[in-house]
Amino acid sequence: EADIYQTPRYLVIGTGKKITLECSQTMGHDKMYWYQQDPGMELHLIHYSYGVNSTEKGDLSSESTVSRIRTEHFPLTLESARPSHTSQYLCASSKQGAVTQYFGPGTRLLVL
Amino acid sequence: SQQGEEDPQALSIQEGENATMNCSYKTSINNLQWYRQNSGRGLVHLILIRSNEREKHSGRLRVTLDTSKKSSSLLITASRAADTASYFCATELGGTSYGKLTFGQGTILTVHP
Repeated sequence: EADIYQTPRYLVIGTGKKITLECSQTMGHDKMYWYQQDPGMELHLIHYSYGVNSTEKGDLSSESTVSRIRTEHFPLTLESARPSHTSQYLCASSKQGAVTQYFGPGTRLLVL
Repeated sequence: SQQGEEDPQALSIQEGENATMNCSYKTSINNLQWYRQNSGRGLVHLILIRSNEREKHSGRLRVTLDTSKKSSSLLITASRAADTASYFCATELGGTSYGKLTFGQGTILTVHP
């Protein structure tokens, strides 16, 4: 069982609200990732970080932003949620020099 | 276009049978991994095969990689109801994509008791 946590697990929120999805890992991994996954579909990388103060956009364009102030914490923020943001968001991490990723349980977001 | 494509999209078998899933990709890779996802949960890493390897085993799992055909297969032998899940292949591309994975569409496996 991987030591990577996401909160909340489920979130139902109205259009226009600001939300932050939390992701924390206790494994000391330098690399962290955010993926977006619609039901029954593949994962799309939206953000990644190779260490503190390092953030990059992924392959899928996203209106969300991320920060990496501490090694263990990689929150994702949506300034103004829209129904098109409804999806599952998965956080993952990996060690420096390794390619295997460890995933959190995900946050299911529903924007009304 | 997607880097990884999997087939079949869905597979339904009886307990005890073998399950085979295939993954094809388009560009050169450093390695290929298989992950499992139980309904609505995060992914769990199953096995990694490097581009210079052709076959790898882990318990009831057997993975093959054919870089000339840009394809991989995952075989689960003697399947169990608990193997019911979605299975994804993920490739780490060559070059400057170090550490970034591209996932396939996944195969939904249902194992009936």
